[in-house]
Amino acid sequence: QVQLQESGPGLVKPSETLSLTCSVSGFSISSGYYWGWIRQPPGKGLEWIGSIYHSGSTYYNPSVKSRVTISVDTSKNQFSLRLSSVTAADTAVYYCARLAVAGHFDYWGQGALVTVSS
Amino acid sequence: QSVLTQPPSASGTPGQRITISCSGSSSNIGTNTVNWYQQLPGTAPKLLIYSNNQRPSGVPDRFSGSKSGTSASLAISGLQSEDEADYYCATWNDSLNGYVFGTGTKVTVL
Repeated sequence: QVQLQESGPGLVKPSETLSLTCSVSGFSISSGYYWGWIRQPPGKGLEWIGSIYHSGSTYYNPSVKSRVTISVDTSKNQFSLRLSSVTAADTAVYYCARLAVAGHFDYWGQGALVTVSS
Repeated sequence: QSVLTQPPSASGTPGQRITISCSGSSSNIGTNTVNWYQQLPGTAPKLLIYSNNQRPSGVPDRFSGSKSGTSASLAISGLQSEDEADYYCATWNDSLNGYVFGTGTKVTVL
C-alpha cells in the first residue's frame, strides 16, 4: 500500500522560505512515476504546484515557477518542496501525491497546513 | 483563475441522478484525458475517475465519467448522503505545460 506523509513547519514568516518534505512508503520512488505537490488555500480550490520525476526532471506551475524548487532524495525515498518569498497568499494545506503514468494523482498524503504570518 | 470551469454547486435528493460539468478548451480537455477527484469535508482529495471514464478499484459504479470535445461530465446516480463533498475535474494543459484543476463543485444531498 502506497502511503505519503507531508512534514515541515506549520508556520512561516512572510518573505521567508516554506519547506516541506513528503515521505513515501510502500513504493520506491526510484521505480518511476512523477511525484507532485498540490495546495489548497482555506476555503478555496486545488492548485497544482509542480511535479518531479525520480531522475530529477521537473515541471512547475507558471504562477509560482520563479519561487519554487522541488527536489527528490531517492536514498531517503522522499521528495521536497521549497517555496521562497512567501506571503499570506501562500497560506494553504499542502498535499503531496503520486502522479500515475496516465496523468492522474492516485495516492495522496493527508495534507499539511502551512500558515504564513509574522 | 482556473482554466477548467465547473458549476459552484449541485444538489439532489437521495436516489436521484446528478451531473457535474467541466468546461475547458482545446489546450486541455480537447487533447488530454480528464480525471475527477472527490474531497470529503476535512480530508485529502481522492481519485474518483481517471482517463475520462475509468473507476479505480473500490469506487462504486454509481460514479461515471464522460468526455466530449472540450467538456467533460461526472454523473452520480443513486445519490447518497455520503456523496456530499467537493468534486474537482483535472487534466494536463498543453499551453501552460502543467496540470490544472477545475474550480470545484460542492454537492449537497437534500
